[in-house]
Parts: sequence; C-alpha cells; structure tokens
Amino acid sequence: DVKVTQSSRYLVKRTGEKVFLECVQDMDHENMFWYRQDPGLGLRLIYFSYDVKMKEKGDIPEGYSVSREKKERFSLILESASTNQTSMYLCASSSSGQGGYGYTFGSGTRLTVV
Amino acid sequence: GENVEQHPSTLSVQEGDSAVIKCTYSDSASNYFPWYKQELGKRPQLIIDIRSNVGEKKDQRIAVTLNKTAKHFSLHITETQPEDSAVYFCAASWSGNQFYFGTGTSLTVIP
Repeated sequence: DVKVTQSSRYLVKRTGEKVFLECVQDMDHENMFWYRQDPGLGLRLIYFSYDVKMKEKGDIPEGYSVSREKKERFSLILESASTNQTSMYLCASSSSGQGGYGYTFGSGTRLTVV
Repeated sequence: GENVEQHPSTLSVQEGDSAVIKCTYSDSASNYFPWYKQELGKRPQLIIDIRSNVGEKKDQRIAVTLNKTAKHFSLHITETQPEDSAVYFCAASWSGNQFYFGTGTSLTVIP
C-alpha cells in the first residue's frame, strides 16, 4: 500500500518556536505539496516541489519555508510560529507521469500554537 | 492562476436520495479534475477523477460530469448512504501538476 507519512499527528508549540513538519513518501513521486486546511477555507497551498532541491511558493507562503534534500522527503518549516498558524497541515505527493495524476495525502498534522 | 468555486458548502439529503455537488473553474488549460472525500479526522481520499477528453465517468453510485465549454464539473452520488457523509473537495489541474481545490462541501446523509 502506497503511503505518505507525516511524522506527527498532533503538535503543540509555543509562539516564536521554530517548527519542523516532516513528510515522507514511498511512491517515488516527483511532486510534493504542503497544504493547510482551515474550516471554510478549504485546502490552501503553501509550498510545492517538482524535484529534489526545487521549491515553489504556493498561495500562502508567508511565514513558512520548505526543504527537499531527498526525493522522498519534503519538510515544512515554520521559522517563528505564531497563533495564526494553528491549523491542520496536509502533505501530498503525485506523479508527473501519464498514469493516475491523483494526489495521495498524508494523514495530516494538527498544529496548535499557544 | 486557476480559481475553483464549489457549491454548496453544506448539503443534507435523506438516505436513498441523490446528492449533487458543483464546481466551476476559470483556466481553460485545466485538463484533470479529481474529487476527494474526507471523512472526519481522516486524510482526503481520491474517489473519482475525469480528464478533459471525457464528458462523463461513472463508478458504481458515483459519477462525474464535465462541461468544458461552460468550465464546470459536477459530482453525482446516487442512492446515498450514511457512510457517504463526509466533506467532498473538487480540484482542477493541468496535467496533474499543482491542484487547485474548491472550498469543500460538507455532505450529511440523514438515515
């Protein structure tokens, strides 16, 4: 069974802390994405990557950065956590090939910043 | 960039009735349209998708229709069951790269 694994299901961090959210996929997918999910706002793209060491800003990159040193791992970094970054964070991966484009999502990390 | 609008935001139906969720998109270059179901506390799961060279696709009780001219696509669920209760997201993409999601529809099936 193919998997996208997010390292933590729940996290509580203090304002100003540096926070790392990790995502690992075992499908050899080229593309990886970080979204945040908030009620009434749906899924909003933070950053994405189409290749190792490559990153692109999504719709809401402010306050976040990412790292992709290996194909299977895509990390989201909150440089200085703030309360408005309390949210559900979802990682996803996809293949650029002609077969099945659909994203595979991780289980999500619910981050609370206090 | 692409803009995807999804309606309604909430939908309640009686068990056995049909449910329809509609999405519109703005970028005529989009050619791939997946639908995701997210049950409470779980990850979104792909339930059906359609490519722009097809007008309709069906999988048991679920169907998706696409009108490229009008730039809208719809999810149809027939004979709804309580386990269909979830949040449904539509999305639009060009060739499977960045997906643009709708804001979601919370479907409740009343037994």
